[in-house]
Amino acid sequence: DAMVIQNPRYQVTQFGKPVTLSCSQTLNHNVMYWYQQKSSQAPKLLFHYYDKDFNNEADTPDNFQSRRPNTSFCFLDIRSPGLGDAAMYLCATSRGTRRETQYFGPGTRLLVL
Amino acid sequence: AQTVTQSQPEMSVQEAETVTLSCTYDTSESDYYLFWYKQPPSRQMILVIRQEAYKQQNATENRFSVNFQKAAKSFSLKISDSQLGDAAMYFCAYHGGSNYKLTFGKGTLLTVNP
Repeated sequence: DAMVIQNPRYQVTQFGKPVTLSCSQTLNHNVMYWYQQKSSQAPKLLFHYYDKDFNNEADTPDNFQSRRPNTSFCFLDIRSPGLGDAAMYLCATSRGTRRETQYFGPGTRLLVL
Repeated sequence: AQTVTQSQPEMSVQEAETVTLSCTYDTSESDYYLFWYKQPPSRQMILVIRQEAYKQQNATENRFSVNFQKAAKSFSLKISDSQLGDAAMYFCAYHGGSNYKLTFGKGTLLTVNP
């Protein structure tokens, strides 16, 4: 089945230690999104890629970076995680950015010690 | 800017009964899409139902249906014959036809009582 896959499902890191979260998709969608979701809150969009074009949200901290080496994979890099970065990180994909449904992966829960 | 309001932080329903979750939105656009997503505890967010604003007919997916009132900017979700597996956080979301952003409401936590 076509799907959005996120690895790992749970990630523990230390304060200030760089961490990378992974997302892959078999839907062959052009757009990939990264969201941050804190407990009992709505997801907050960090950035998205349309093909190789990177689009950062204005309020996304510089601490968060992303890479998309090919259509199938997208990575979220947190350069120096703080305690406030502990959250669920959701990857989503869509065929395009207009009039298209977004499909979500299962998420990676990040714990910062 | 578009906003989405879910006025019910929590709802509960008895198994096999019907429940309606409320959602209102604010927009000046005429071309947009509305969604209900379901997120069970510690599990994946999945699409429940989608409504195109240009369609007058309310969307239906099995036990899930919406009441889309475009003039009132209201988009409620009705769950019929509620099941234990329906227990989840439900997010209403708006997507304008002219941009990429999905604007979420704050969610409604639905509990299903046996």
